[in-house]
Amino acid sequence: NAGVTQTPKFQVLKTGQSMTLQCAQDMNHEYMSWYRQDPGMGLRLIHYSVGAGITDQGEVPNGYNVSRSTTEDFPLRLLSAAPSQTSVYFCASSYSYGTDYEQYFGPGTRLTVT
Amino acid sequence: GQQVMQIPQYQHVQEGEDFTTYCNSSTTLSNIQWYKQRPGGHPVFLIQLVKSGEVKKQKRLTFQFGEAKKNSSLHITATQTTDVGTYFCAGRYTGANSKLTFGKGITLSVRP
Repeated sequence: NAGVTQTPKFQVLKTGQSMTLQCAQDMNHEYMSWYRQDPGMGLRLIHYSVGAGITDQGEVPNGYNVSRSTTEDFPLRLLSAAPSQTSVYFCASSYSYGTDYEQYFGPGTRLTVT
Repeated sequence: GQQVMQIPQYQHVQEGEDFTTYCNSSTTLSNIQWYKQRPGGHPVFLIQLVKSGEVKKQKRLTFQFGEAKKNSSLHITATQTTDVGTYFCAGRYTGANSKLTFGKGITLSVRP
C-alpha cells in the first residue's frame, strides 16, 4: 500500500491564482481530512469528509473548497490564493470517523503564495 | 472554544536526560492521541488512550491519561537524538460530531 499520497510536494503561486492540491489513499478509509500547519499554530482542520459525497467544514475553511467523489480521492481547491494561505498542507485519512482510529498523514504540500 | 493546550512549545534536553510533557484540556475528553513529527516530516501516530488513568508504554515512552480525562502526559526515559521532533496531542471531546482537536505541539531538541 502506498498509504496517503499528496501532490505536489512544493508549489509557488501568485496572489489570485487558483490551484488544486491532490490527496489520495489506497486503504479504503472512510474518513479523510485536510490540515494546515503554520509555525506555532499546530495542525488546524480545514475540511473533512466522512465518506464519498459527504464533506464538512473544519476550523479554518475560508478560501478552500473540497469534494469527495470517490473513497480514494479528496482534493483541496484554493479558489484565489492569498499570502495568508502560505503554509504546509497535510491530508490525513483514518478507517472511520465515529470510532476513533489512528490518522495516517500524507507527506505534505509546502505552498508559498507571493 | 474547546482547546487542547501544550505548554511550552519548545524544550531542550541533554541526551540521556528524561523528558516529560503535558497536554491539558478544560473539559473532559473522550480519548486522546499522540503523534510525532520529525523535522521536515509528517505527523505519525504513536498511541491512543481511552480509559481514565490508562497508562501505555512503548519502549522508552510512557503515556498516561489523567483520572478525570482532562489531561495526558508523555514521558521519555533517557532521551536519545532519535527522539528529536514535535510531539502533538490530539483530543476528542464528548458529544456528537466532535472532531479531533490538535494541540500546538512541543518541539523537543536533544543535545548530544
